[in-house]
Amino acid sequence: GAVVSQHPSRVICKSGTSVKIECRSLDFQATTMFWYRQFPKQSLMLMATSNEGSKATYEQGVEKDKFLINHASLTLSTLTVTSAHPEDSSFYICSARSLAGYNEQFFGPGTRLTVL
Amino acid sequence: QKEVEQDPGPLSVPEGAIVSLNCTYSNSAFQYFMWYRQYSRKGPELLMYTYSSGNKEDGRFTAQVDKSSKYISLFIRDSQPSDSATYLCAMSELSMGAQKLVFGQGTRLTINP
Repeated sequence: GAVVSQHPSRVICKSGTSVKIECRSLDFQATTMFWYRQFPKQSLMLMATSNEGSKATYEQGVEKDKFLINHASLTLSTLTVTSAHPEDSSFYICSARSLAGYNEQFFGPGTRLTVL
Repeated sequence: QKEVEQDPGPLSVPEGAIVSLNCTYSNSAFQYFMWYRQYSRKGPELLMYTYSSGNKEDGRFTAQVDKSSKYISLFIRDSQPSDSATYLCAMSELSMGAQKLVFGQGTRLTINP
């Protein structure tokens, strides 16, 4: 149980295009989903927190107009990187917290974004 | 100063050795402490979590928390090559609503057969 999936697992795009990444909780309902970014050999940095049906809360320094987050249902959150540039190339990981579990976040497998 | 400090390693030990991984933190409001294992190009997997000072054991893994020193450790006994991964400590404050995790830098561990 407690499986979180991400799609796509890998994406390569041209500079200036937008990319959408999906995060799904497969066997539980997630009140809250989190989006992280991880650069090579570095730790996970929280980008934003999204609650179902409400606007996402972004961490300081994260551009909300560039990283659009939508959490339309209890099992799906999306991250759209708008007008992507090479410096946006990174490993994006989502996590989900279940209605039942207060302390544990379940992580997805990550999406590797490469912007050419 | 980062909220959570973790030696990034790399750490390389022979199979069967006892491994000690450590993190220190500065935010006294942290109440929950977690250890995650992350294989290359994969998402983190929760190994252990605790919310009190002391030791918690799960098989070959023991998590230790010392809130007075703001120091946590993960011990791996009888280490196996399959334990080779990056280990991340993470912490959060006890608060209502979304629970933000703050991660350490991660320690890359290699267990040599």
